[in-house]
Amino acid sequence: GAGVSQSPSNKVTEKGKDVELRCDPISGHTALYWYRQRLGQGLEFLIYFQGNSAPDKSGLPSDRFSAERTGESVSTLTIQRTQQEDSAVYLCASSLVAPYGYTFGSGTRLTVV
Amino acid sequence: SQQGEEDPQALSIQEGENATMNCSYKTSINNLQWYRQNSGRGLVHLILIRSNEREKHSGRLRVTLDTSKKSSSLLITASRAADTASYFCATDGGFGNEKLTFGTGTRLTIIP
Repeated sequence: GAGVSQSPSNKVTEKGKDVELRCDPISGHTALYWYRQRLGQGLEFLIYFQGNSAPDKSGLPSDRFSAERTGESVSTLTIQRTQQEDSAVYLCASSLVAPYGYTFGSGTRLTVV
Repeated sequence: SQQGEEDPQALSIQEGENATMNCSYKTSINNLQWYRQNSGRGLVHLILIRSNEREKHSGRLRVTLDTSKKSSSLLITASRAADTASYFCATDGGFGNEKLTFGTGTRLTIIP
């Protein structure tokens, strides 16, 4: 596609439920990133995929968070047993050559009630 | 912890005036980038400056980088209402440390 696509755009879930967020990067982009942005704050790095290399998971806040990416295609971010503090906008970005030319998706706004 | 910190946190100016935002960072960098965010959603890349560059221009944007002070500034000249947005700086550490670390952002409001 022409840009980075994220789905769903909004998600409301009950505390304790699992959620799965999806990111479709720009075709051919080998690098893919997930960030979290709480209301009124900056972007918090979560995880970085580069081609077939082992992902950089250093930003994942707890073992309730996990992400997968197969090759250079779609990525999913899974949050298990959601908590209210997980409420945020989750942003995905892809790049042909890291760290240049990041293109961001419009994000998924997650609300845990 | 945040690598970059922007100041001011919020800035309001009259349309037509120039807007200056600053960014400070803590560790060595390879590149510094500035992004704009409208309405709390996706970010748009504005400009990149490499660690061996001191100044860069793009249209109404001017970016400076002082690696000795670990700081950068973004100047928007002749501001327009459409420039109202949040602006973030982001740094990377080069090969092997390509992830972008973002600052906390400056909320810019242009008053028509």
